[in-house]
Amino acid sequence: SAVISQKPSRDICQRGTSLTIQCQVDSQVTMMFWYRQQPGQSLTLIATANQGSEATYESGFVIDKFPISRPNLTFSTLTVSNMSPEDSSIYLCSAWGGIRGNTIYFGEGSWLTVV
Amino acid sequence: SQQGEEDPQALSIQEGENATMNCSYKTSINNLQWYRQNSGRGLVHLILIRSNEREKHSGRLRVTLDTSKKSSSLLITASRAADTASYFCATDEREGGKLIFGQGTELSVKP
Repeated sequence: SAVISQKPSRDICQRGTSLTIQCQVDSQVTMMFWYRQQPGQSLTLIATANQGSEATYESGFVIDKFPISRPNLTFSTLTVSNMSPEDSSIYLCSAWGGIRGNTIYFGEGSWLTVV
Repeated sequence: SQQGEEDPQALSIQEGENATMNCSYKTSINNLQWYRQNSGRGLVHLILIRSNEREKHSGRLRVTLDTSKKSSSLLITASRAADTASYFCATDEREGGKLIFGQGTELSVKP
């Protein structure tokens, strides 16, 4: 069974709307991260999801556009707000630490298309 | 920002041939990892090499690391059509799971 499950796996969204992606890990992990992969590109780190506190965002990403929650050690959400076609991407969460040690696991990704 | 470059960007070979992909990075690293991605979906972890290691094997995979040149290579021997995918290297500067990805190599293995 999957270490990390993400949902939705795929969605078509209207511009101007917001969508929340969920990431569930099957065991407690120390760190969780969110990445964006634009079409034909590599992965870019959006932010580190911190348990019980505000996420730490990378340069070029802001909380108003990508609010993140991490209420416990196994779950996180990423919201893509006020979407535009440029937000059409695959969004992936990853997890590290806990009983699984140093291997970094990735979810299957959430493929969003904004029309 | 991306850590570095991968080359080639695209590689097309026949089944049974070997495939070599290279990755360069810019900063000091703790580990370097290689991932495979099929059809734009989730990443599959292939192999991790630590900064104090020079070579590592896993099945048909061989990874080398040259920290003096800030580069790594992934060799897939006796390739199969099922190896067709995008391959990414990713580095971390310290333990903690935060990765910086290379641009990726798109491998196509023709039967």
